[in-house]
Amino acid sequence: DQQVKQNSPSLSVQEGRISILNCDYTNSMFDYFLWYKKYPAEGPTFLISISSIKDKNEDGRFTVFLNKSAKHLSLHIVPSQPGDSAVYFCAPMNSGNTPLVFGKGTRLSVIA
Amino acid sequence: DTGVSQNPRHKITKRGQNVTFRCDPISEHNRLYWYRQTLGQGPEFLTYFQNEAQLEKSRLLSDRFSAERPKGSFSTLEIQRTEQGDSAMYLCASSSAGQGIYEQYFGPGTRLTVT
Repeated sequence: DQQVKQNSPSLSVQEGRISILNCDYTNSMFDYFLWYKKYPAEGPTFLISISSIKDKNEDGRFTVFLNKSAKHLSLHIVPSQPGDSAVYFCAPMNSGNTPLVFGKGTRLSVIA
Repeated sequence: DTGVSQNPRHKITKRGQNVTFRCDPISEHNRLYWYRQTLGQGPEFLTYFQNEAQLEKSRLLSDRFSAERPKGSFSTLEIQRTEQGDSAMYLCASSSAGQGIYEQYFGPGTRLTVT
């Protein structure tokens, strides 16, 4: 059973526009949510996180929104840049039990 | 701070051979994790250490896999009698066990190919 679902395997966006990546989860014990970016042949790079006590966290061009009642979070990138082209993983966790649970990822392509 | 390092970056081995991977975490991090990633999937948790104690092992970690972190610094992951299904990217991550700090920082991974 998949606890974390990223239902869009791929997303293509024009440079300068907004990219929205979505993530749904089923485990109500998750209380901390991280997003990672991954380039080919590299390890995942931490991008941004949000605690369950918040519904929004912003860091530069990246904003994460959390809707706990819907068990849904989204990552907004604006404006999108070609260097943002990568696979993005949603990775929630239960802060009392530290392993991350990853989704399958969404491949973002930003077209110049 | 040079980040998490992993060696080797690539390993090709024949089925039935043993392999060992090494991970050096960020120096001040006391937690160290191993994950495995196969094509089209996200990383899957294998095991983690706090200092030298192995606190949790996934059911993915069969008895052919063993991990150690002898002095609470670097860690090794050994796979005995490798099988083709072990072909994957093996990722190591580290973090601090501070209050409210949960971000894990990953190394570049070791890609294992079993022929």
